[in-house]
Amino acid sequence: GNSVTQMEGPVTLSEEAFLTINCTYTATGYPSLFWYVQYPGEGLQLLLKATKADDKGSNKGFEATYRKETTSFHLEKGSVQVSDSAVYFCALIPSGGYNKLIFGAGTRLAVHP
Amino acid sequence: DVKVTQSSRYLVKRTGEKVFLECVQDMDHENMFWYRQDPGLGLRLIYFSYDVKMKEKGDIPEGYSVSREKKERFSLILESASTNQTSMYLCASSLPDRTTEAFFGQGTRLTVV
Repeated sequence: GNSVTQMEGPVTLSEEAFLTINCTYTATGYPSLFWYVQYPGEGLQLLLKATKADDKGSNKGFEATYRKETTSFHLEKGSVQVSDSAVYFCALIPSGGYNKLIFGAGTRLAVHP
Repeated sequence: DVKVTQSSRYLVKRTGEKVFLECVQDMDHENMFWYRQDPGLGLRLIYFSYDVKMKEKGDIPEGYSVSREKKERFSLILESASTNQTSMYLCASSLPDRTTEAFFGQGTRLTVV
């Protein structure tokens, strides 16, 4: 079946540190891949996406590259800020059937000054 | 501004009660979803609907039902609430295009006592 595995959190970083949150997936064909972010007290919102192999999604200084060979979509940011503290969810939509979003467990990021 | 609106932010219900969670979207989206969010488990799909009166079970449909009589409204029903249904419930909507994002409501935190 289709599934998403994320690194466990929480991840605690100092401001301006480099961030990597690992995400790997299991799916047949070519799923679309997404990172969603949930800020405290809010619903989820799209951070970035990639819909075909080797695509790079980017937004707000975050990047992730769709790696078909390693079935991965790791999230990176070169210099995190306190305002990046949130829960980050990796997700996929399979290539067949209805457009169901399948989520990973989420990774909580805490950035300290 | 696009919107997915959930009728309540917080609800407290008694064991055995029938509970209705309402969700309305203003984007004319075909797809609508109900997820449950629990710490360490991420978002798990309860039910989704790809058209009016059409529905499919997600990963954890037991104890829940849904109704979609109009395109913009998707209701989640807990037939007989139990304490293990205490959780955050998130509604989302999307176009029938796997390359586009889903939009989420703010969530309803349900406590069953």
